[in-house]
Amino acid sequence: ETGVTQTPRHLVMGMTNKKSLKCEQHLGHNAMYWYKQSAKKPLELMFVYSLEERVENNSVPSRFSPECPNSSHLFLHLHTLQPEDSALYLCASSQGATGFNTDTQYFGPGTRLTVL
Amino acid sequence: AQSVTQPDIHITVSEGASLELRCNYSYGATPYLFWYVQSPGQGLQLLLKYFSGDTLVQGIKGFEAEFKRSQSSFNLRKPSVHWSDAAEYFCAVGGNRDDKIIFGKGTRLHILP
Repeated sequence: ETGVTQTPRHLVMGMTNKKSLKCEQHLGHNAMYWYKQSAKKPLELMFVYSLEERVENNSVPSRFSPECPNSSHLFLHLHTLQPEDSALYLCASSQGATGFNTDTQYFGPGTRLTVL
Repeated sequence: AQSVTQPDIHITVSEGASLELRCNYSYGATPYLFWYVQSPGQGLQLLLKYFSGDTLVQGIKGFEAEFKRSQSSFNLRKPSVHWSDAAEYFCAVGGNRDDKIIFGKGTRLHILP
């Protein structure tokens, strides 16, 4: 595998379920990101990790819980979601240790999440 | 606060025609500007970026963009589009170390055969 991979590609869950999204980057990058992409809205940055430490949390509801066990893997744990959380969740990575300002970001294909 | 505006939600052009996608930004210092493209079912891919120097930037797939500070614009151009260019295009602005990259809402490009 090369680049940034995300699993699953599609996920349907009920409001009471608990699920996790996984992201893996094979680029040797130091920063990883979670974005939410909803129809007709700008891409929303949710979380940024640099060298496995969270450096940005954009006032995301606590029902979204990120985890970065190492520089290659990023998870987004989901619980008690709402229908309005249905969206495409994109993972990205970049080279810099504090890269969310100027570095080129490399995106995965996303996980299409539907909350029933 | 920084912001990005892409005034066109949808644009339709004929294959072989020229293309210009508009992007206007608001930022208090020297901006770092990006154009990304998203094909259906895919993540975003960087087309080009501007940090400094020559204001006309060349990117991949035959795209270019011109930074115009006086107009706060960073418009994307291509002299002749191909059917495979049909996608959604996002402009983004970043800057100082403490400023995260902000994306526009995107412009969806449709290509007529």
